[in-house]
Amino acid sequence: DAKTTQPPSMDCAEGRAANLPCNHSTISGNEYVYWYRQIHSQGPQYIIHGLKNNETNEMASLIITEDRKSSTLILPHATLRDTAVYYCIVRVYSGAGSYQLTFGKGTKLSVIP
Amino acid sequence: DVKVTQSSRYLVKRTGEKVFLECVQDMDHENMFWYRQDPGLGLRLIYFSYDVKMKEKGDIPEGYSVSREKKERFSLILESASTNQTSMYLCASSLLGTQYFGPGTRLTVL
Repeated sequence: DAKTTQPPSMDCAEGRAANLPCNHSTISGNEYVYWYRQIHSQGPQYIIHGLKNNETNEMASLIITEDRKSSTLILPHATLRDTAVYYCIVRVYSGAGSYQLTFGKGTKLSVIP
Repeated sequence: DVKVTQSSRYLVKRTGEKVFLECVQDMDHENMFWYRQDPGLGLRLIYFSYDVKMKEKGDIPEGYSVSREKKERFSLILESASTNQTSMYLCASSLLGTQYFGPGTRLTVL
């Protein structure tokens, strides 16, 4: 299974862009990169996912390097409500039309006023 | 919007009790999952189901069973609760790869 490596913690000033890196050097060609976040005591929240092209939605942008060995999640204007643990996950097919997401330790993002 | 609901946010049970945790999703998703989350250990998959009456063991199924009688509902059962099952339990449903999570149930076994 492709594993991911993320820094354990990061700080970001409120209103600035938060750039969260992730390494996934053993990713296979058909495996997607997913990002979730978890605010304290809540269930994980889906943010965005991608295969090889950069993706953007109302929450964030996902930049995947050309060799797909790493990616960066960008929150363009971080707010205090973005303080959370952010998980970078490589989706793995587990059979019978089902996919598994293996959550690591993630990056604890603290947005500072 | 996808909605996944769990029967309780907080639950306190005694050792040896039978515990039912219920999860309901409203998006007609095929797949449903049960995880537990503990400090320092992250989310660990207990069981998942890819169809009604179908189930597959995850990474830590011991001490748990599941039931999926209807597509929208996936139940986690602790036959005889023990103190080491005190944890946050999270349910998710998915279509293809994207999983949507419920708010979680914090279970304390005394």
